[in-house]
Amino acid sequence: ETGVTQSPTHLIKTRGQQVTLRCSSQSGHNTVSWYQQALGQGPQFIFQYYREEENGRGNFPPRFSGLQFPNYSSELNVNALELDDSALYLCASSLSQGSNNEQFFGPGTRLTVL
Amino acid sequence: AQSVSQHNHHVILSEAASLELGCNYSYGGTVNLFWYVQYPGQHLQLLLKYFSGDPLVKGIKGFEAEFIKSKFSFNLRKPSVQWSDTAEYFCAVNALNFGNEKLTFGTGTRLTIIP
Repeated sequence: ETGVTQSPTHLIKTRGQQVTLRCSSQSGHNTVSWYQQALGQGPQFIFQYYREEENGRGNFPPRFSGLQFPNYSSELNVNALELDDSALYLCASSLSQGSNNEQFFGPGTRLTVL
Repeated sequence: AQSVSQHNHHVILSEAASLELGCNYSYGGTVNLFWYVQYPGQHLQLLLKYFSGDPLVKGIKGFEAEFIKSKFSFNLRKPSVQWSDTAEYFCAVNALNFGNEKLTFGTGTRLTIIP
């Protein structure tokens, strides 16, 4: 069983640029969630996708957007990068069936904005 | 909106000492509760979870946690820690009335075990 994978591992961008981060869900999972983890903080929920539809969003501006594909992989896009966007971006997948679901996390993408 | 508080930011213990890490959440409805661990250089891994039933749950590596609904708490315990338990520990809550699996995390507790 393949776990959650993310690419790239590290990324350096400059302010104002755009970035796309990618996530492959664990086999059989239909839900993907994205989190931002700033240094020294806990992960903050960005949004979640279930069967290609956004299913909940945290307190992040519209320049944070996402997609989920038919194979349940996902992308996180961030436009007009700001210095404060520097963080570890985590993807988590789960199999949504009922209300008792466990999320499995990937290793994350470390984004540095200069 | 729900929130999670972890009052211990950094805990330093000697090997074989007992551990208790505090976690309190603010949400009046039904919740699922989790403890995740992040070892140095590794990704978040689930230690244990509470969905329903027995409020004392056991997880991997000898960890356990007790859900006390009246105190909105879900403290993590281990009777005897090992050097390999050095890691960052995160408590998380999923409020079930919002129709999604959003996890709200605490700020984490850094645990350092001295050999």
